[in-house]
Amino acid sequence: ETGVTQTPRHLVMGMTNKKSLKCEQHLGHNAMYWYKQSAKKPLELMFVYNFKEQTENNSVPSRFSPECPNSSHLFLHLHTLQPEDSALYLCASSTETGSGEQYFGPGTRLTVT
Amino acid sequence: QKEVEQNSGPLSVPEGAIASLNCTYSDRGSQSFFWYRQYSGKSPELIMSIYSNGDKEDGRFTAQLNKASQYVSLLIRDSQPSDSATYLCAVNWNDYKLSFGAGTTVTVRA
Repeated sequence: ETGVTQTPRHLVMGMTNKKSLKCEQHLGHNAMYWYKQSAKKPLELMFVYNFKEQTENNSVPSRFSPECPNSSHLFLHLHTLQPEDSALYLCASSTETGSGEQYFGPGTRLTVT
Repeated sequence: QKEVEQNSGPLSVPEGAIASLNCTYSDRGSQSFFWYRQYSGKSPELIMSIYSNGDKEDGRFTAQLNKASQYVSLLIRDSQPSDSATYLCAVNWNDYKLSFGAGTTVTVRA
């Protein structure tokens, strides 16, 4: 779990708030990912970054805005979210884009009120 | 649409028995296949990867792949209470995006 860290672990925000999720990987990987996990649904890929360049935006609403300043850090900026956005947000990394061998952080449990 | 299907379970097995988990996928162009384990309240953890037809064994885990039938399975031998978790099947498509099934929940009864 210490290979990929995420903060905060829990977040409650109102629909008009702005917040950011942070992810950091200590594995020397080049690719980083944001996933959304809702109850009883498959993991949904949101964004993919390779060497800090975005390579995938999986039709994610603009109220989610990713940022990758370097290959070790990844942020997800949140604004004007909806209650249906409440979920577990997972960050992952891998040696290169497209590798199925991904290492996940502990996640941020987000509740939108 | 590319899909990964798993029985949601719960799959309940007695301690010491074999747990058998199945996964089917929709696209014949799939390149590689993975099993992740997710304990309640935790994040997914990679436990097995398989890239070619046949069996791959790692300790008490065996992954089986049949590309012609578009089927991948995971066997857990000598199941232990610590194996109680949700097991996620994941498939890499030609565009190298990883798609996950919804998971099968396994409960090992002591």
